[in-house]
Amino acid sequence: DADVTQTPRNRITKTGKRIMLECSQTKGHDRMYWYRQDPGLGLRLIYYSFDVKDINKGEISDGYSVSRQAQAKFSLSLESAIPNQTALYFCATSAGGEQFFGPGTRLTVL
Amino acid sequence: KQEVTQIPAALSVPEGENLVLNCSFTDSAIYNLQWFRQDPGKGLTSLLLIQSSQREQTSGRLNASLDKSSGRSTLYIAASQPGDSATYLCAVKSTGRRALTFGSGTRLQVQP
Repeated sequence: DADVTQTPRNRITKTGKRIMLECSQTKGHDRMYWYRQDPGLGLRLIYYSFDVKDINKGEISDGYSVSRQAQAKFSLSLESAIPNQTALYFCATSAGGEQFFGPGTRLTVL
Repeated sequence: KQEVTQIPAALSVPEGENLVLNCSFTDSAIYNLQWFRQDPGKGLTSLLLIQSSQREQTSGRLNASLDKSSGRSTLYIAASQPGDSATYLCAVKSTGRRALTFGSGTRLQVQP
């Protein structure tokens, strides 16, 4: 089984809809992250959490919110999706300075 | 603000060639540097992690070097194979920052 899992893997939605992307990990890491990837722009940090009570904005947090339900679970929400949020979204964990990524969620907002 | 650049953006080589991928960063105050591989539509797989105190790391046919003073890292791939075709991403963890800064990647194609 994968150490970092993301659901759903693919999602198509419409402008204005609320969407939640979920991430679970079995690595026992305290630190978790959400990134988005756009073609030609690399990965950019949306939010990160160093434990269940510690949540921080990344460089592109506008339009997103997160919830750290437990050490193993970190969810990303788009309250009202817009087309420029179409991207590949990755969850990651880290320990000892090394990051480990989930398989990604491809989100399309029409 | 840390900026990470990877050149070239794309590279095509015949099978068997040795090749070097380049990564440069603007702020030398780094904690570590990590190289990842990404297959189309897939997640990132960690290849090598170099701590700031290290000069290089090796794993199989891969060797990554780090020169903090010049703000450069290279990923050397020996005897390339078609299965090495993927996008290679470099990411830096800067001192005092809590997450990675990524380059935009080099897309490698190894021709059989």
